Amino acid sequence: DTEVTQTPKHLVMGMTNKKSLKCEQHMGHRAMYWYKQKAKKPPELMFVYSYEKLSINESVPSRFSPECPNSSLLNLHLHALQPEDSALYLCASSQEGPGRNEKLFFGSGTQLSVL
Amino acid sequence: GEDVEQSLFLSVREGDSSVINCTYTDSSSTYLYWYKQEPGAGLQLLTYIFSNMDMKQDQRLTVLLNKKDKHLSLRIADTQTGDSAIYFCAEILMDSSYKLIFGSGTRLLVRP
Repeated sequence: DTEVTQTPKHLVMGMTNKKSLKCEQHMGHRAMYWYKQKAKKPPELMFVYSYEKLSINESVPSRFSPECPNSSLLNLHLHALQPEDSALYLCASSQEGPGRNEKLFFGSGTQLSVL
Repeated sequence: GEDVEQSLFLSVREGDSSVINCTYTDSSSTYLYWYKQEPGAGLQLLTYIFSNMDMKQDQRLTVLLNKKDKHLSLRIADTQTGDSAIYFCAEILMDSSYKLIFGSGTRLLVRP
């Protein structure tokens, strides 16, 4: 199994809603990532979990809250988002994480629209 | 901050070679990568090169690295319509974060 699975594929939410994005991998990778990608732009790093501990937080607003329940799962909890948060949210995993040959495996993403 | 730069767009005819260029920022980056993104999909790692190499070939793909100029290129031989996508180069920043930084992306259009 060489897949990173993200759910849901599409999400529309209002500014007062609470929702969660989910990501799962069964490759035994020890690092998991959240990226945000706006249209026609490169992915921007949000968070990195390495061995289930948050190792990088790119000064992301607190309305985004990551969670890593175990080494295979990664969640992104969303609350009180703004329309400018609309984007493709990509999850990725790598075998060992930052500092090494960091070959990332990406999921297909969740296309988020905030109304 | 500095950006990893790529040209925005490249159009080639099917069967021709494509060359996508990238200028990166950190001369001490250990690994440099090429990713492909098709519409509505995540990124797929195509290939990577270690910084002590100047060339790597992998089937139709050839990566060239010029460390002096901080220039990376990806050549796709016999380009096919299925190669139409956005291509991102990426480098590892060798500060304490070791973050992977993506280039701005090059949209490759392959004409039949």
